[in-house]
Amino acid sequence: KNQVEQSPQSLIILEGKNCTLQCNYTVSPFSNLRWYKQDTGRGPVSLTIMTFSENTKSNGRYTATLDADTKQSSLHITASQLSDSASYICVVSAKGSYNTDKLIFGTGTRLQVFP
Amino acid sequence: DAGVTQSPTHLIKTRGQQVTLRCSPKSGHDTVSWYQQALGQGPQFIFQYYEEEERQRGNFPDRFSGHQFPNYSSELNVNALLLGDSALYLCASSLAGTGANYGYTFGSGTRLTVV
Repeated sequence: KNQVEQSPQSLIILEGKNCTLQCNYTVSPFSNLRWYKQDTGRGPVSLTIMTFSENTKSNGRYTATLDADTKQSSLHITASQLSDSASYICVVSAKGSYNTDKLIFGTGTRLQVFP
Repeated sequence: DAGVTQSPTHLIKTRGQQVTLRCSPKSGHDTVSWYQQALGQGPQFIFQYYEEEERQRGNFPDRFSGHQFPNYSSELNVNALLLGDSALYLCASSLAGTGANYGYTFGSGTRLTVV
């Protein structure tokens, strides 16, 4: 069964601190892995996308890593800001038919940044 | 360049009623996927439409049906509403066959409340 698991479920950090979110997956056939940021009641916004051959990708203060052998990914947030408070969702794409992918979502990590 | 547009933004329905949600994909995208996100959970895949046909389907009952129009816009229909159908319904568009570097773009969602 295709599955994406994230940890921790929730995290509280102080502004300016760094943090790392984890994602483990069992998805086949694997296409790519994405990290999304979702504010409450809003649609997810893409942070990074990585294919099988990529092991790191950065987007500003966000850096994602991918270990395709162990099927693990992490999202590192540097120098956190209050606006980073949101849910961070790991999404793994499974190759589908008709050149389309099916997205399998993790349940997310709820990050709260306090001043 | 318009992103994904969903309507309405909020909706309240009574148990047993039927509802139709609408989605206009990002310009240039031809594939539309629908997701249900319960409060505090990750989105769950409902189905995906490409070339006006349902190409993939998640584990949702037949009460959930959809349609894609020649202009690539899509509708999600839910019949015989249950209290458990209350959720944020997300639409995501993409371009088939473009590979991992062309991400999914999500709309802001429709918040459905069944009373």
